Amino acid sequence: QKEVEQNSGPLSVPEGAIASLNCTYSDRGSQSFFWYRQYSGKSPELIMFIYSNGDKEDGRFTAQLNKASQYVSLLIRDSQPSDSATYLCAVTGTASKLTFGTGTRLQVTL
Amino acid sequence: DGGITQSPKYLFRKEGQNVTLSCEQNLNHDAMYWYRQDPGQGLRLIYYSQIVNDFQKGDIAEGYSVSREKKESFPLTVTSAQKNPTAFYLCASEQGPYTDTQYFGPGTRLTVL
Repeated sequence: QKEVEQNSGPLSVPEGAIASLNCTYSDRGSQSFFWYRQYSGKSPELIMFIYSNGDKEDGRFTAQLNKASQYVSLLIRDSQPSDSATYLCAVTGTASKLTFGTGTRLQVTL
Repeated sequence: DGGITQSPKYLFRKEGQNVTLSCEQNLNHDAMYWYRQDPGQGLRLIYYSQIVNDFQKGDIAEGYSVSREKKESFPLTVTSAQKNPTAFYLCASEQGPYTDTQYFGPGTRLTVL
C-alpha cells in the first residue's frame, strides 16, 4: 500500500464547475496535510495546508480533512482553464517526513 | 525579492561525469531538501539538512552527495555512481523548527547524454 494515494486522472471538469480531488494516506498518526499545484514543466506551488479535521477555505479552494477515514480532499469552485495542472497531495507522517502522492491531473475544459 | 533559486535550469551530463546542482535561498529558512521527480512518480527525497553543517540521507541517497556550509546554500552533486540520473531535481526549504511547510525552487532538469 502506498503511503499517500491519489487517482492519477485525468479528471476532466467543464469551466465553472467544481473540481474534487481526493487523497488517502496510510499513516494514522499524520499531522499535517498539503496541496501543491504543479503546472507542466514547473515546480510545485503550495496552495493549501490543513492540520485539523473539517474544512478550510481560501478563495476558490477548500481543503477537507477527515482523520478518522484518513483522507484529505481539495475542492476547486468555479474551475478555470488556468486551474488545469497536476495537484500533489503531501502528508507529514509520524516520522516528521513529508510524503507526496503521485498527483492527479486536472483538465478544465471550455 | 525573497525566494529559492536553482541553477542551471537545464543541465546535460555525459556518462561518467559528476555534476553539481545549485540551490540558494534568502528566506532565512533553517531546513533545506532535495527531491527527484520522475514521470508518473511522486517526489522522492534524496537528502535533507535541518541546520548548517549537518545533513541526512533521504530515501534515494545512493549516487548523490550534498554539503551545507552556509545556511543559504545546499548544493547537490550527482555522481557517476548514480546510474539513472535523468530527472527533474527540486530543491525546497522550510522555516523550521516545528514548522513543516516546504516551498520549492524552480527546479533543474538533468539529462544524461
